[in-house]
Amino acid sequence: QQQVKQSPQSLIVQKGGISIINCAYENTAFDYFPWYQQFPGKGPALLIAIRPDVSEKKEGRFTISFNKSAKQFSLHIMDSQPGDSATYFCAASIIDYQLIWGAGTKLIIKP
Amino acid sequence: DVKVTQSSRYLVKRTGEKVFLECVQDMDHENMFWYRQDPGLGLRLIYFSYDVKMKEKGDIPEGYSVSREKKERFSLILESASTNQTSMYLCASTLPTGANYGYTFGSGTRLTVV
Repeated sequence: QQQVKQSPQSLIVQKGGISIINCAYENTAFDYFPWYQQFPGKGPALLIAIRPDVSEKKEGRFTISFNKSAKQFSLHIMDSQPGDSATYFCAASIIDYQLIWGAGTKLIIKP
Repeated sequence: DVKVTQSSRYLVKRTGEKVFLECVQDMDHENMFWYRQDPGLGLRLIYFSYDVKMKEKGDIPEGYSVSREKKERFSLILESASTNQTSMYLCASTLPTGANYGYTFGSGTRLTVV
């Protein structure tokens, strides 16, 4: 019940396209859902996060969509650029507790 | 610029050696974590610490131990390195209210055990 399932494991998108990464969870007590971005040779860095009281959060080209009833959330990257090529991790937590991580998605944006 | 610094980027050790991985943060964070990252398995928590001299086991603590003698420093120890401990090791820190303020990660130590 503590798992966060992330898909796909890898994704190739053409430059200018929309990248979509999905995550699903079981524990309805989770109340914080961040996405982290990791470039090669670096540690993950917080990209964007959402709480379950909203269905969508947008920051620039990055959007989190949240479906509480389905227990799913997703990251959309609009107008994907080669610089977005990275590994993306979703995660979930109950407030003040540690993050439970998805397995990661390696995103490649083809020029 | 606040940061988490891991002492080595690359490390090669022999089977059976005792290995020390060091992590230092300059953000006065209470919480510190050690993860290992393997392809297809994501980030797996080895140990974490909520305070000086305090440690808690994560999901995969076997073969590892930790030390936190000072607030800013969290060390991961491989008591007797084995080839299945070849991995990328990531240290992270965060504020006491935990995940909701974001984790700050170091750049990682890629350990190869031969």
